[in-house]
Amino acid sequence: DTEVTQTPKHLVMGMTNKKSLKCEQHMGHRAMYWYKQKAKKPPELMFVYSYEKLSINESVPSRFSPECPNSSLLNLHLHALQPEDSALYLCASSAYQGVQETQYFGPGTRLLVL
Amino acid sequence: AQSVAQPEDQVNVAEGNPLTVKCTYSVSGNPYLFWYVQYPNRGLQFLLKYITGDNLVKGSYGFEAEFNKSQTSFHLKKPSALVSDSALYFCAVRPQSGSGNTGKLIFGQGTTLQVKP
Repeated sequence: DTEVTQTPKHLVMGMTNKKSLKCEQHMGHRAMYWYKQKAKKPPELMFVYSYEKLSINESVPSRFSPECPNSSLLNLHLHALQPEDSALYLCASSAYQGVQETQYFGPGTRLLVL
Repeated sequence: AQSVAQPEDQVNVAEGNPLTVKCTYSVSGNPYLFWYVQYPNRGLQFLLKYITGDNLVKGSYGFEAEFNKSQTSFHLKKPSALVSDSALYFCAVRPQSGSGNTGKLIFGQGTTLQVKP
């Protein structure tokens, strides 16, 4: 089973709202990732967690705040977003944060910021 | 700089014909190469990867890819296309890092495959 689940599937929020995206995997993977994807463009890496510790932050604005409460869960807290933050947010996981490891992606959360 | 190129924005093939989606890469060191497919309004699905060994890699849904080190290419192929193969395809590379293993995926810009009945 290579399933990564994400909730919600769709989210509409105002620029003053606070919301959270959730990602879950039960494959025993120890590396988890957040990506942002605009329509018909490749995903852009935002954050990487390895063994529940933040390993990479790709200079993402502080209005995005990741959290990894345990090895199966990854959250992305959103606050004071801008309309240009509207995108598909993808979560992925891999066994380890190694070059040979395959990243498995969830279905994504489609975010619209009004 | 390390990069991946998918030279075709779109590839059109007739159902039943063979298909090729092209990918070339530029990395220092040995490349680890991946192909993903994305159907409309969905996440990315892993198709196959090349790590080492046999240059011809077989993957999901009848897809295969050939690693060519001299041409720095990793083209995706399928002998007989299906209408259901119509989707956005991404090639990606994870370069073998020297200092610090970030494991970052570098994606190509994507190729839309359109298979017509």
